[in-house]
Amino acid sequence: DTGVSQDPRHKITKRGQNVTFRCDPISEHNRLYWYRQTLGQGPEFLTYFQNEAQLEKSRLLSDRFSAERPKGSFSTLEIQRTEQGDSAMYLCASSQRSRGRSENGTGELFFGEGSRLTVL
Amino acid sequence: GQQLNQSPQSMFIQEGEDVSMNCTSSSIFNTWLWYKQDPGEGPVLLIALYKAGELTSNGRLTAQFGITRKDSFLNISASIPSDVGIYFCAGQNRGNTGKLIFGQGTTLQVKP
Repeated sequence: DTGVSQDPRHKITKRGQNVTFRCDPISEHNRLYWYRQTLGQGPEFLTYFQNEAQLEKSRLLSDRFSAERPKGSFSTLEIQRTEQGDSAMYLCASSQRSRGRSENGTGELFFGEGSRLTVL
Repeated sequence: GQQLNQSPQSMFIQEGEDVSMNCTSSSIFNTWLWYKQDPGEGPVLLIALYKAGELTSNGRLTAQFGITRKDSFLNISASIPSDVGIYFCAGQNRGNTGKLIFGQGTTLQVKP
């Protein structure tokens, strides 16, 4: 399978603990995105990387959240001192900047299956 | 910030019926995309639209990019039980990060 893969699929943790999620994008894609989705809502943008550079962060990404993509391939999203409000599905997506028919070259985003976090 | 409004919020239809849902925005987007999400899974891309007025089909699915660039619709013809899920529209702007702004979703249920 050459799609976006995320690990773990499910994580249950106690409030105050740290958690880390991993995302492996489609291999030829140079852009990687993290989104958060709560029940009944559409995904909300958190942050994005082009290669290893983190180029944008949403205001949703508090100081307790950190994302890395050290070699421009896989990415990790760490949440420190988790709170119950962090419970959500964390989605990773990737895209190829030059793919697609749009004039500016931004292409379609392909999502992984998500990592569901439950904070007790 | 930019927001997308999807309607209807939910639909319950009979197998074989056609379905129509739409998405409107207060501001312009340069790309519209439609995704389907099954419970516990990530969104799966259905159709991408790049030009105002563009009409694109993918099997039984047809989507259009509105002329004003502030809206899009998705039609599903001859619905089947596996069409059940949540359908999201998403808008993308020219020249920025390529990030998507999502609507709240339309939940579709199909009665066999």
